[in-house]
Amino acid sequence: NAGVTQTPKFQVLKTGQSMTLQCAQDMNHNSMYWYRQDPGMGLRLIYYSASEGTTDKGEVPNGYNVSRLNKREFSLRLESAAPSQTSVYFCASSERQGENYGYTFGSGTRLTVV
Amino acid sequence: AQSVTQLDSHVSVSEGTPVLLRCNYSSSYSPSLFWYVQHPNKGLQLLLKYTSAATLVKGINGFEAEFKKSETSFHLTKPSAHMSDAAEYFCVVTLYNFNKFYFGSGTKLNVKP
Repeated sequence: NAGVTQTPKFQVLKTGQSMTLQCAQDMNHNSMYWYRQDPGMGLRLIYYSASEGTTDKGEVPNGYNVSRLNKREFSLRLESAAPSQTSVYFCASSERQGENYGYTFGSGTRLTVV
Repeated sequence: AQSVTQLDSHVSVSEGTPVLLRCNYSSSYSPSLFWYVQHPNKGLQLLLKYTSAATLVKGINGFEAEFKKSETSFHLTKPSAHMSDAAEYFCVVTLYNFNKFYFGSGTKLNVKP
């Protein structure tokens, strides 16, 4: 089925550990995004990639890095996890910059940092 | 600057009664507006979108929303709630030709039998 695939679905990390969240889309979308969702705060943009080869910071980029590996894949890396990064992470994609057809979302990654 | 405010964090209705979820936005330009729904432990699903065409927008599952520029509102309605509508709803605003989407803080809809 066409869509956005995120891995893993669940992860528990110890403070200071690193990990990479993977995201892939098969809809030939140009733009991809990483959001975090916290109770009462809606979704906040971490990083986005308007097109292959470009990345930009969103509202809450500190503690994260991203890589737009190719048109399909956009990964999010936590270099040294902190308890404040406990959250649900959503990857999304959209057709291309300037188009406003909305997002297609992945099903999320639940990350707990202890 | 852009922002979106969902006026109610929780709404509770009885099955079969109307649903109203309120959203106000602020934008320096003509916005595009969306409503998304998130069921427990699921990703977000697009309900409907407004992109400067008709001001009354119909979405999936019987939902609709009306764009009112004078009131800077984009409230979500449904004539008759169903138990399966219980979920969290997000109002989203973006500027055309701009690549960021701004999410409201969400409204949790509870539907009582």
